[in-house]
Amino acid sequence: TQLLEQSPQFLSIQEGENLTVYCNSSSVFSSLQWYRQEPGEGPVLLVTVVTGGEVKKLKRLTFQFGDARKDSSLHITAAQPGDTGLYLCAGGMNSGGSNYKLTFGKGTLLTVNP
Amino acid sequence: GAGVSQSPSNKVTEKGKDVELRCDPISGHTALYWYRQSLGQGLEFLIYFQGNSAPDKSGLPSDRFSAERTGGSVSTLTIQRTQQEDSAVYLCASSGPRGKQAFFGQGTRLTVV
Repeated sequence: TQLLEQSPQFLSIQEGENLTVYCNSSSVFSSLQWYRQEPGEGPVLLVTVVTGGEVKKLKRLTFQFGDARKDSSLHITAAQPGDTGLYLCAGGMNSGGSNYKLTFGKGTLLTVNP
Repeated sequence: GAGVSQSPSNKVTEKGKDVELRCDPISGHTALYWYRQSLGQGLEFLIYFQGNSAPDKSGLPSDRFSAERTGGSVSTLTIQRTQQEDSAVYLCASSGPRGKQAFFGQGTRLTVV
């Protein structure tokens, strides 16, 4: 069972367009993270959101955590070819004691064409 | 080390042979994850370690796949009798007790010929 569903799975757009990718779950997470992976590299953390309804901005990227802490979205304004990559969301929850497990979605593969 | 280290970075093996992939997590990180990624695809979860135990190994695709972790540090993913469909990049990640952030290695690209 996939705990975190990301959509769309693939997205191809033209430079300058806006886009939104979604990360949905039926589970409540104590935090939600977004990662970006470029070809040949491992994923790298972009942002962590921890409060329901929280919105964070990173230049042209806007991240939102749902009020119920079950879902999140990533919005990119005026996409550029350099934004091309795999975008992953990861939900964190306590797995017993002080242990904490991150569950990753499968990712959204974004291609921005010049 | 400063980051998560995986070895080898590339491995070409013949069908039917066994392979071992190694992951050195960041020192002190208690959680360790193995993922598989096919070309142009997303992450496929394999197994999660907390310390030396694996509370979630639900992603291992068959009994040819196994993993262990010793000393709460190094982990080895073993694939027995490799098949061509095992060809992929195998990624390892670790995170600390509070799980604030996962750090990924560069991956091992496995090619089964």
